[in-house]
Parts: sequence; structure tokens; C-alpha cells
Amino acid sequence: LAKTTQPISMDSYEGQEVNITCSHNNIATNDYITWYQQFPSQGPRFIIQGYKTKVTNEVASLFIPADRKSSTLSLPRVSLSDTAVYYCLVGENYGGATNKLIFGTGTLLAVQP
Amino acid sequence: KAGVTQTPRYLIKTRGQQVTLSCSPISGHRSVSWYQQTPGQGLQFLFEYFSETQRNKGNFPGRFSGRQFSNSRSEMNVSTLELGDSALYLCASSSGQGVTGELFFGEGSRLTVL
Repeated sequence: LAKTTQPISMDSYEGQEVNITCSHNNIATNDYITWYQQFPSQGPRFIIQGYKTKVTNEVASLFIPADRKSSTLSLPRVSLSDTAVYYCLVGENYGGATNKLIFGTGTLLAVQP
Repeated sequence: KAGVTQTPRYLIKTRGQQVTLSCSPISGHRSVSWYQQTPGQGLQFLFEYFSETQRNKGNFPGRFSGRQFSNSRSEMNVSTLELGDSALYLCASSSGQGVTGELFFGEGSRLTVL
């Protein structure tokens, strides 16, 4: 099973770009990389998913190098409301199967004014 | 479109009792998965159901069980509760088909075992 390693916490200020890196050395060929955001007492919320290179949506970008052993979630111009725990997941998602989807301890991002 | 609904939101039980939690997925979603979240262990996968069949299972004892009904609603049951079962139990739904990365989570059921 692919295991991920993320920093436990990060601090930032409003308006800054934040990059959270996740290591997944044992990623398998069929594995996708997915990031979720979680606020206290709420379920996680999907942010972005990718397989290789770069993916961008309206809230974030995901950078994946050619060897796929790591990935970086980039949040542009964070605000106080981005303070949350961010999880990097690596797992096979074909067929919608959630098998082997492991949530690590996540990264607590604290955004200050 | 209504989101994932979990009931009850909060409950308190005593050791040895059993508990049943319910999850109503987003309309049209056929996959429902369950997770346990605790401060010490983080988010851990319990099991996943698709079209009334358990498709995947995490590493939890047999006291944790689940089922899915024909309307995709799911229930999970924990028997012989232990203090360590106190946790936030989250349910997530997805279409269950094709390459999809987006799981839609409910707000969870917070279980306290005394």
C-alpha cells in the first residue's frame, strides 16, 4: 500500500501562495494522487486529483514530477478561511473503488492575518 | 442536489452496547464508504459498499459491520462497544464507476463511548 508523508503543520499569511508537498515513494502505476481539505467537525472536501504533470482547477494546482514519488499542492493567495487540515491520498481509483485509499495525518495549515 | 446525510450526528453509548449509524448518499451514487476518525489514528478506511455488495474492507475487527440497501443507503454497526471506538464516523459517496477521485463526505456521526 502506498503511504504518504506530509509536514505536520505549516504557517502562512493571507495573500501568500502556499505549497504543501507530499511524498509517496511506493506509488503504484495505477495510483492517482488526490488532495482533500477538512475543517473541524466536518467531513473532508475534495480539492484536486492528478496522475502526472500538472493539474489546475479554480481553487488549486497540483504538480507531479515525472517519477511521481511526490506531489505538491499549491494554494494561490490563501485567506483565513483556508485554515484547515490538508490530506494527500494515493490510491487506485479505477471503478470508483476506495480500496487502499489511506488518509495520512495530514498537514494543518494555519493562515494568519 | 442534496449532499450526503448522516444520522445521528451525535450519540453517547456505554461499553458493551451496540450502535447503528446511517448514511444516505447523494442521489445516483452507488458507492458508499465508511471511515473512522480519531485524534490518534487519523482517518481510517472501514469498508466500501457498491450495489449492495461489500467491495473493499479495511483492517477493523469483525465488530464493525455494514450493509447497503437497494436504494444505496448504507448502515454501519458496531457491536460490543469499547472505549476506543469513540470517534467521528464519516460516510462518503461516489458514483462508484469509472475513474473518479471525488468522494463526497457527510458531516459525520460523533460517537462517544463511556
